[in-house]
Amino acid sequence: DVVMTQSPLSLPVTLGQSASISCNSSQNLVHSDGDTYLNWFQQRPGRSPRRLIYKVSKRDSGVPDRFSGSGSGTDFTLKISRVEAEDVGVYYCMQGTYWPPWTFGQGTKVEIK
Amino acid sequence: EVQLVESGGGLVQPGGSLRLSCATSGFIFSKSPMAWVRQAPGKGLEWVSTISVNGDDRRYADSVKGRFIISRDSSKNTVDLQMNSLRTEDTAVYYCVKDAYGSIDYWGLGALVTVSS
Repeated sequence: DVVMTQSPLSLPVTLGQSASISCNSSQNLVHSDGDTYLNWFQQRPGRSPRRLIYKVSKRDSGVPDRFSGSGSGTDFTLKISRVEAEDVGVYYCMQGTYWPPWTFGQGTKVEIK
Repeated sequence: EVQLVESGGGLVQPGGSLRLSCATSGFIFSKSPMAWVRQAPGKGLEWVSTISVNGDDRRYADSVKGRFIISRDSSKNTVDLQMNSLRTEDTAVYYCVKDAYGSIDYWGLGALVTVSS
């Protein structure tokens, strides 16, 4: 199975500052169809996860443009520009290239300093 | 608006069985693979099972293979998860999710399953 490794696991941030979360996969996530199935999810406290980003950098409808995804191969990043209070929660990366199984990172907890 | 609503969670003893159901609406169910993902208390996300559009391809995590069965009913737009021989380590919130081919585009609210004596 593909192992997804996130860092850091805890990320205290100041309101208005930017934050970056890294996700590394144990295998290159480029699919034979040419796409890279790397996703980012946000889970606010007490809520279900919600997708923010798919195929590395495509933002879901309704997701603020403060959220951006980048990367290729085995190294990916989620950046949150100008962090707001509503961004508090746990962020997960997930690969869908090598399935089954889908595999998730351990999660990164974002909190306000 | 896509909605996924799970039901059937609860407390069950080790070795027991439970059936989760997910009622869906807001999308063409017959064209979408469906899946279950779980989250143990205070832990991360774990894929459990996926069923194909017509139900002929079912995949399971090694941790549940041989004990869980996923099914779907296109006449009712529902997807079920029959869970047998439950273990304490199966305790988790179980999310019904809409499979978006290499991704998950919608999540349900979740159903808590507690396996304890």
